[in-house]
Amino acid sequence: AQSVTQPDIHITVSEGASLELRCNYSYGATPYLFWYVQSPGQGLQLLLKYFSGDTLVQGIKGFEAEFKRSQSSFNLRKPSVHWSDAAEYFCTVGDYSSASKIIFGSGTRLSIRP
Amino acid sequence: NAGVTQTPKFRVLKTGQSMTLLCAQDMNHEYMYWYRQDPGMGLRLIHYSVGEGTTAKGEVPDGYNVSRLKKQNFLLGLESAAPSQTSVYFCASSVVGNNQPQHFGDGTRLSIL
Repeated sequence: AQSVTQPDIHITVSEGASLELRCNYSYGATPYLFWYVQSPGQGLQLLLKYFSGDTLVQGIKGFEAEFKRSQSSFNLRKPSVHWSDAAEYFCTVGDYSSASKIIFGSGTRLSIRP
Repeated sequence: NAGVTQTPKFRVLKTGQSMTLLCAQDMNHEYMYWYRQDPGMGLRLIHYSVGEGTTAKGEVPDGYNVSRLKKQNFLLGLESAAPSQTSVYFCASSVVGNNQPQHFGDGTRLSIL
């Protein structure tokens, strides 16, 4: 069955350090991939998306993600994190069995060490 | 532009009570969704709608009903609330296709005692 795996439940990084959040998916064709961020007490906000073309995509707030078909991965990166990046991050993939649904990963909670 | 608005933001119910959560979007989106979010489980789809007058079951539909009488509104009902329905509920909307991003409301925190 189609799935999205975020292997890291919780990550803590120091402010100013680089960040990489992992996402692996299972999908037969080229997937529609998204990263969302959820700040405490708020809804999800789209960070970036990948459909096709350039495998390195840029998003808002200085985030980027790289699609690697050979590794079935879509990892999110940021070169230097800020305290305001503390949030939960969700990787999602469009459900190939339904044009109206997406599948969520279980999320990675990011904490920032001052 | 308000986007997706959910009411209420918080609610406490007793077991067996009923209530309706309202979601309104002003982006003229065709698709609307109701999710629940529980610790460590990400978001799970309860019901969704691909257009006015249509609804469909998601991953965890039991105990919930929905209606989409107007394109901009999507209602989620709990007929007889149970403690297992204690959760944070999110509504989302999107244009047609799962290659499009979903726009989320700020959530409704529901506690069932």
